[in-house]
Amino acid sequence: NAGVTQTPKFQVLKTGQSMTLQCAQDMNHEYMSWYRQDPGMGLRLIHYSVGAGITDQGEVPNGYNVSRSTTEDFPLRLLSAAPSQTSVYFCASSDRRGPRNQPQHFGDGTRLSIL
Amino acid sequence: AQTVTQSQPEMSVQEAETVTLSCTYDTSESDYYLFWYKQPPSRQMILVIRQEAYKQQNATENRFSVNFQKAAKSFSLKISDSQLGDAAMYFCAYYSGTASKLTFGTGTRLQVTL
Repeated sequence: NAGVTQTPKFQVLKTGQSMTLQCAQDMNHEYMSWYRQDPGMGLRLIHYSVGAGITDQGEVPNGYNVSRSTTEDFPLRLLSAAPSQTSVYFCASSDRRGPRNQPQHFGDGTRLSIL
Repeated sequence: AQTVTQSQPEMSVQEAETVTLSCTYDTSESDYYLFWYKQPPSRQMILVIRQEAYKQQNATENRFSVNFQKAAKSFSLKISDSQLGDAAMYFCAYYSGTASKLTFGTGTRLQVTL
C-alpha cells in the first residue's frame, strides 16, 4: 500500500550543489510528473513522463533534469542548486490514460531549501 | 498556454453552512478535464471532484458539487454542510487532453469556523 514514495522528505543544500529527488511508485503507472509548489503560486509542472524512456518539459523545466529508465522510478535532478529552487516538490503518478480518467496519486512532498 | 485563475485567496465558512469557491480558466481546446484538489495541512494532495468538459451534467461527490459553465469557462466548487475537516487549501486544476499537462490555480485557503 505504498503508492508514491518520495525521498528525502527534507533537504538543505548550498548554492551550486547538485542532488537527486527520488520518486517511486508501485502501482505500475505509466504517467508520472514532478511539480513544485511555491507560496501563492500553486503547483507548477516541471517535467512529466508518459512512459519509460519518454519525458517532456512542463511549465518550469529550467535547472532540472529527469529520466525514466523504469516504469517505477522518476528521479528529478537539480544540476546546480539555486536559491530560487527553494520549494516543496511533489511527484505524482496515474495510469497510462493520464490524469484525465484517474486521479493522480501524489507523494508526500520534499521540502527543499537552498542556502 | 492554458491559465487557471482562483480569485479568492481566502474564504471562511461556518460549520454546517455552504460555501462556493470560484475558478475560471482560459483555453481554446475542446478536449480537457477540470479538477478540484484539496491540500490539508499535512500537505497531501487529495482529489475532491472531477469534470469532463464534454459532459454537460455537473459532477457531484457527496457534499461536494461543481457548477460548470463551459461558455463562461467557469468551474466553481460548492461545499455543503461544511465540516471542520474541510479546512484546507483548495486548488482548481485544468488537464489538457492533447498536451497531457495539468495546470493548477494558485489556490483558495478555506477556514471553517464553529
